[in-house]
Amino acid sequence: DAGITQSPRHKVTETGTPVTLRCHQTENHRYMYWYRQDPGHGLRLIHYSYGVKDTDKGEVSDGYSVSRSKTEDFLLTLESATSSQTSVYFCAISDGQGASQPQHFGDGTRLSIL
Amino acid sequence: AQSVTQLGSHVSVSEGALVLLRCNYSSSVPPYLFWYVQYPNQGLQLLLKYTSAATLVKGINGFEAEFKKSETSFHLTKPSAHMSDAAEYFCAVSDQGQAAGNKLTFGGGTRVLVKP
Repeated sequence: DAGITQSPRHKVTETGTPVTLRCHQTENHRYMYWYRQDPGHGLRLIHYSYGVKDTDKGEVSDGYSVSRSKTEDFLLTLESATSSQTSVYFCAISDGQGASQPQHFGDGTRLSIL
Repeated sequence: AQSVTQLGSHVSVSEGALVLLRCNYSSSVPPYLFWYVQYPNQGLQLLLKYTSAATLVKGINGFEAEFKKSETSFHLTKPSAHMSDAAEYFCAVSDQGQAAGNKLTFGGGTRVLVKP
């Protein structure tokens, strides 16, 4: 299994509070991704990173920010959480050597915003 | 923008029967295609991928998928279902024209129930 650790695995918080999710990898892969998973929508890309301090928006980036200060860590922040951001969040990594390379996924963080 | 359609959000099969999960993509240029499986409370695990080397792709756990350009399809099959195949399956595409990295677009997923 790819060395990907997501923390926390579960979190319950209140509307309006800031939330930070962490993804840590031990594979030294260049690319890291954050997705959210909602029933009927599959996984949708929030943000991704193609190197330290290099990030870009995905399909559903509104309300989210990311940071990558080290190769191994990719943080996802909800500045002011809303109930619509209740979801399961997955981090993925790839070595990025071409679009044919698969992504490897962490076990997810289940986030509930009340 | 790419889109991926998985026909049927739920599929029920009997143990030993054929498993057929459908995936269609929208791109006019054949993309790279992937099938992932997700077991309860776990992340996604790669089953197989198509990267234009061969149209019939074999993956893990006895699954295979056939790329059909004329139908823009990449359906997943397994000849004989096993109870352990109960999971959710996702089809995903990656645009060959991406400058770097491989952003994936996922279908909505198909949950497979296997009946004894």
